[in-house]
Amino acid sequence: NAGVTQTPKFRVLKTGQSMTLLCAQDMNHEYMYWYRQDPGMGLRLIHYSVGEGTTAKGEVPDGYNVSRLKKQNFLLGLESAAPSQTSVYFCASSYGGVSTEAFFGQGTRLTVV
Amino acid sequence: KNEVEQSPQNLTAQEGEFITINCSYSVGISALHWLQQHPGGGIVSLFMLSSGKKKHGRLIATINIQEKHSSLHITASHPRDSAVYICAVLDSGNQFYFGTGTSLTVIP
Repeated sequence: NAGVTQTPKFRVLKTGQSMTLLCAQDMNHEYMYWYRQDPGMGLRLIHYSVGEGTTAKGEVPDGYNVSRLKKQNFLLGLESAAPSQTSVYFCASSYGGVSTEAFFGQGTRLTVV
Repeated sequence: KNEVEQSPQNLTAQEGEFITINCSYSVGISALHWLQQHPGGGIVSLFMLSSGKKKHGRLIATINIQEKHSSLHITASHPRDSAVYICAVLDSGNQFYFGTGTSLTVIP
C-alpha cells in the first residue's frame, strides 16, 4: 500500500516553462487536495477535488490548473511558471466525512528561476 | 485572518522534558489533526480527534470542542522528536485549515 505518491520530488523550471505534478493515491479516496507550503505560512490550498471528474478552486488557485480524470490521480499544472511559484507542493487525500483521516505525499520542491 | 493559531512558533527543549504545543481555532470543525513534518520530509498524520483525548506512545493529544482548543503533549522528549508539528482542522465542508506549525528542537 503506497498511500499518496507525488512525482517528481524535485524540479527546477525556468520562468515561462510549464510542468505537471502528479499525485496518485491507492486508497480509493474521494477527496484530493493540492497545497503549497511557503516559509512562515501554513499550508495553503490551491485546488481540490471531491471526486473523479470534479475540481474546485482553493485559496490560491491563480497560475495553476488541475484535472481529476481518474479517481486515483490528481494532476497539478503550471502553464507558465513564475518565480512566485517557487514552493514546496503537497498533495493530500482523504475519504471524506466526519471521521476522515488525511494522508499526505512526500512533497515536491519546485524552484522557478 | 488565521482560522488556526498555534503556539509557540518555536520551542527548544532538553531531552526528557515534557512538551506542550497549543492550537486554537475559530471555525466550526468536524475533526482536528496533528501532523508531523521532519526537515526535508513529508507530512505524516499523528492524530485525528473529534473529542476527548488520544494517546500513542509518548504522544498525547487532547481537544476541548467548547473552547476550540487542542494540545499536543510529548512526554520524555527525545531528539528524534525534533520536527515541525502542525495543527489542522477539518470543517463541515471537508476543507482543511492549517496552522503555521511549531518548530520543535530537542537537545540531547
